[in-house]
Amino acid sequence: AQTVTQSQPEMSVQEAETVTLSCTYDTSESDYYLFWYKQPPSRQMILVIRQEAYKQQNATENRFSVNFQKAAKSFSLKISDSQLGDAAMYFCAFTFNAGGTSYGKLTFGQGTILTVHP
Amino acid sequence: ETGVTQTPRHLVMGMTNKKSLKCEQHLGHNAMYWYKQSAKKPLELMFVYNFKEQTENNSVPSRFSPECPNSSHLFLHLHTLQPEDSALYLCASSPGQGLGGYTFGSGTRLTVV
Repeated sequence: AQTVTQSQPEMSVQEAETVTLSCTYDTSESDYYLFWYKQPPSRQMILVIRQEAYKQQNATENRFSVNFQKAAKSFSLKISDSQLGDAAMYFCAFTFNAGGTSYGKLTFGQGTILTVHP
Repeated sequence: ETGVTQTPRHLVMGMTNKKSLKCEQHLGHNAMYWYKQSAKKPLELMFVYNFKEQTENNSVPSRFSPECPNSSHLFLHLHTLQPEDSALYLCASSPGQGLGGYTFGSGTRLTVV
């Protein structure tokens, strides 16, 4: 079974500063994918960034980047130049390519509420 | 337009009522999912449908009954629910290969009274 753990229920950051959200996971799979999703008050889950396990290079998307430590099974999200619109619940998620008829399901962490102070 | 549309947005129902949640996607995806999001708990996968066939039921009580008439529509039929079933129910779709590309709806906030 796969597990995803986010140890920070809440985080806060000043506008324009940098914040890092932590995520660890446990799996015996070798072909897997990790995601960070953002859930603002509108409730829709929005994909922020994705990392393929076979890629050593850390993924980046504008102000968002990850620190993927495969051996340590750690997948943290760094938000640079934080903006008020970044305030949301952030979820780390995992999926693996199981093939067959069972594939594509996501396992989520508990979430981290991010507050951005002006 | 999110690509995945869920209705209704809010629902209040009594424990003896029967209601249905609807999810619709026009992204050409082949897999659709129901998730339950409760306060202070990780999202829980409930059901997975792949090409209209149910491929996973994550030990969900029978008072929740999914239906997938085609690859674009997914329903969750509710009957004789309990107050602890109150939660946000999220629908998602994906191309189906577990390669990302998941798109979520905005959910239905369900309150059971």
